[in-house]
Amino acid sequence: AQSVTQLGSHVSVSEGALVLLRCNYSSSVPPYLFWYVQYPNQGLQLLLKYTTGATLVKGINGFEAEFKKSETSFHLTKPSAHMSDAAEYFCAVSNMNTGFQKLVFGTGTRLLVSP
Amino acid sequence: DSGVTQTPKHLITATGQRVTLRCSPRSGDLSVYWYQQSLDQGLQFLIQYYNGEERAKGNILERFSAQQFPDLHSELNLSSLELGDSALYFCASSVAGKGYTFGSGTRLTVV
Repeated sequence: AQSVTQLGSHVSVSEGALVLLRCNYSSSVPPYLFWYVQYPNQGLQLLLKYTTGATLVKGINGFEAEFKKSETSFHLTKPSAHMSDAAEYFCAVSNMNTGFQKLVFGTGTRLLVSP
Repeated sequence: DSGVTQTPKHLITATGQRVTLRCSPRSGDLSVYWYQQSLDQGLQFLIQYYNGEERAKGNILERFSAQQFPDLHSELNLSSLELGDSALYFCASSVAGKGYTFGSGTRLTVV
C-alpha cells in the first residue's frame, strides 16, 4: 500500500522567506508524486509532478520539488514566499503501473504568509 | 477553468435524503475519479470509472454509488444521508499518462 506523510499541519513564513513543505512517501513500487494547492473554497490545482527522469521538478508559481529516493522524500520549496501563496498544500502519491491512477493524499499543510 | 465541470457547487439537504452530484470530465478524458474531502478524513478516494466501467473502488460507503454514462459524464449518488456525509466532493478526470485535473467540487451540507 502507498502512503504519504506531510510533516506539519501548519507552516508560517514571512513574505520573502523560503518556503519548505515536507512530504515523505511510502511505496513498494516506483512512485509517481504530486503536489497540489487548494485555495479557500476552490478545487485542487496541480503545482508539479514527478513521474520519471529528472529528480528536480519545477512547477508553477515558482515552486519546485526534489525526488529523493534514498530519503523517500518529495519536499516542496519556493525561494521567496508571496502573500498569494497562502493556501493548503497536499502531497500525493500514485502508482501508474497498476493501470489506474488512484491518488493517495497526505493530510495537507496550511501555509500562512505574514507581511 | 480546469475543464472539469461539477454541479451543483453547493447543496444543502436533510438527513435521510438522497442527492446526485454530477461531473463532466475534460474533453477527451476517459477516466473519472470521485474524492471526498472532509475535516476528519481528509481527501479520500471513492471510486474510479473508465469509459463507462467501474475500474477501482476506495473508501466508498454502500449508501453511495456512481456511474459513468456513454457521453462520459459521471454521477455520484448519495443516499440515506447522515450528518457525517457533509463534505466537499471532488471529481477529477484524466487520460492515460497525463495526470489528473480536478473540478472545483460540490460542497454538501447535511442538516
